[in-house]
Amino acid sequence: DQQVKQNSPSLSVQEGRISILNCDYTNSMFDYFLWYKKYPAEGPTFLISISSIKDKNEDGRFTVFLNKSAKHLSLHIVPSQPGDSAVYFCAASAWYGGSQGNLIFGKGTKLSVKP
Amino acid sequence: SQTIHQWPATLVQPVGSPLSLECTVEGTSNPNLYWYRQAAGRGLQLLFYSVGIGQISSEVPQNLSASRPQDRQFILSSKKLLLSDSGFYLCAWSVGGASTQYFGPGTRLTVL
Repeated sequence: DQQVKQNSPSLSVQEGRISILNCDYTNSMFDYFLWYKKYPAEGPTFLISISSIKDKNEDGRFTVFLNKSAKHLSLHIVPSQPGDSAVYFCAASAWYGGSQGNLIFGKGTKLSVKP
Repeated sequence: SQTIHQWPATLVQPVGSPLSLECTVEGTSNPNLYWYRQAAGRGLQLLFYSVGIGQISSEVPQNLSASRPQDRQFILSSKKLLLSDSGFYLCAWSVGGASTQYFGPGTRLTVL
């Protein structure tokens, strides 16, 4: 049973436009969410995170939105650049027994930004 | 600043042979350490994590084992590889209690 779901395996966007990557989760105990970016044959790179006490976090061209009632988060990239082409993973964790639990990852969405 | 190293970068091994992948972290003390596997077309599966020397937790039953002989060293091993062990193996670290994990460059393992 997948607790973190990325239902779109791939997304294609024109350079300069907005990329929106979506992620849904089922565990209402999740209180910390992260996005990672991964190029082929490399380790994932941490992009941006958000705590459940917020509904938006912004870092340069990257913004993450959290809708707790819908158990949904999204990553917006504006403007999209060809170098953003990669696989994006959504991850979540919950606070258990005095510490943050392990990350649960989605299966990833492959973003292609076309020049 | 903290850095994480993994080696080898690629490995081709015959079925039934042993495996040893190493991960080391620099620039931090007492990190939490993790081993993940990414199989083709799938997400990141947590295999093992460690909160301290000699402390290993296994997430899934499998043909692999892990050890942490030193604070900043994490080793993934197998006595006899299976075809299904092929994949991209990633080591990661985090500051204890915080969730943001930082990944190494990975090892591509092909079992033939």
